[in-house]
Amino acid sequence: QLQMQESGPGLVKPSETLSLTCTVSGGSIDTRNYYWGWIRQPPGKGLDWIGSIYYSGNTYYNPSLKSRVTLLVDMSKNQFSLRLTSVTAADTAVYYCAREGFTIFKDAFDFWGQGTMVTVSS
Amino acid sequence: QSALTQPASVSGSPGQSITMSCTGTSSDVGSYNLVSWYQHHPGKAPKLMIYEVSKRPSWVSDRFSGSKSGNAASLTISGLQAEDEADYYCCSYAGSNASKVFGGGTKLTVL
Repeated sequence: QLQMQESGPGLVKPSETLSLTCTVSGGSIDTRNYYWGWIRQPPGKGLDWIGSIYYSGNTYYNPSLKSRVTLLVDMSKNQFSLRLTSVTAADTAVYYCAREGFTIFKDAFDFWGQGTMVTVSS
Repeated sequence: QSALTQPASVSGSPGQSITMSCTGTSSDVGSYNLVSWYQHHPGKAPKLMIYEVSKRPSWVSDRFSGSKSGNAASLTISGLQAEDEADYYCCSYAGSNASKVFGGGTKLTVL
């Protein structure tokens, strides 16, 4: 049974960098069938796709966040990570990691972590 | 890229059918059969309900169905049940460097 767990600081100061890690268990990140993505939900608002990464390191990002986002994959730890620089209060959100279909469940997120709340505040 | 447009809320009585819409543009919903739908109970992980417009994962009841016409997609739930009450989000592939765009979400209330 696949499990995905987000981890990282729950509080980040304005202008600093938000860093989160998603640990995948019960399945390997090293698969050609899936990308691995990040989605966030600001309080009281809808879902917002941040970006996705392939096991090879190929990435694609939400154009509105591209200048501030970096995704990395660490196959030795079966983890992938998110870095978001120069954060503001508008980046306060629940951050989800999710598995994104590539050869199956194409372009859909078929499995999600429980999410982690990140607040940007001084 | 702009968010897809979804009605803020829909409601129905147990046993009834409801349909919720998801309106995009010719750059996303209208150009690709890559619309997915998610059920989200607050505090829980979102759950994939429909992918590639109308395909249903094995874990989803056949009461859920999806369709698309032009720039708009729809999710229909038949035989409404209390546990269907949740927020529902649509999502579409949007081309241009494989972007994804979500809708603002629809809150389904089972009366």
